[in-house]
Amino acid sequence: AQSVTQLDSQVPVFEEAPVELRCNYSSSVSVYLFWYVQYPNQGLQLLLKYLSGSTLVKGINGFEAEFNKSQTSFHLRKPSVHISDTAEYFCAVSDGGNEKLTFGTGTRLTIIP
Amino acid sequence: GAVVSQHPSRVICKSGTSVKIECRSLDFQATTMFWYRQFPKQSLMLMATSNEGSKATYEQGVEKDKFLINHASLTLSTLTVTSAHPEDSSFYICSAWTGASTYGYTFGSGTRLTVV
Repeated sequence: AQSVTQLDSQVPVFEEAPVELRCNYSSSVSVYLFWYVQYPNQGLQLLLKYLSGSTLVKGINGFEAEFNKSQTSFHLRKPSVHISDTAEYFCAVSDGGNEKLTFGTGTRLTIIP
Repeated sequence: GAVVSQHPSRVICKSGTSVKIECRSLDFQATTMFWYRQFPKQSLMLMATSNEGSKATYEQGVEKDKFLINHASLTLSTLTVTSAHPEDSSFYICSAWTGASTYGYTFGSGTRLTVV
């Protein structure tokens, strides 16, 4: 069975500082990995995904993530955050295409001016 | 491309009534639709997986007689919350796989259900 662990429920960061949101997963098979952002009272927006190939994945809004199979991690990073990055971030995993997604518990990123 | 349209975005209903939520794939065929529920300040929990033309598969603990899912065509899946109660108030969101070359999974915009 799959599971996703987001160790940090809340992360406060000063504006223009770098940030890393941690995600670890467990799965018995090859995985597809995703990061989504959710703004208040809105749906999910895809930040980036890893399906195969290069382990460093670049997404929208300056975010990137690195797939580390040995550490079963898929941490999200941004070198310089903005106020507009304040939101809830979810890591998710699936066993493959058209399979169910399992979400982590989410990390609330708060940017401090 | 690869848009899932979900309606309504918000609904308020009286306790004991039923509410139907629709998800339509606008420019692709969704053989499978995933339905999630999200309580305030919590993560998304998969409720069920629907496949076109067959019965939905429900996750453990989800009442299939309360949450009726119909996937009658390749472009429409519906979730009906029957005899709704205040504890069913939540954010419901659907999702479909659109292929590795696109977003992967496309999500509807969600439905905020409030049962009073």
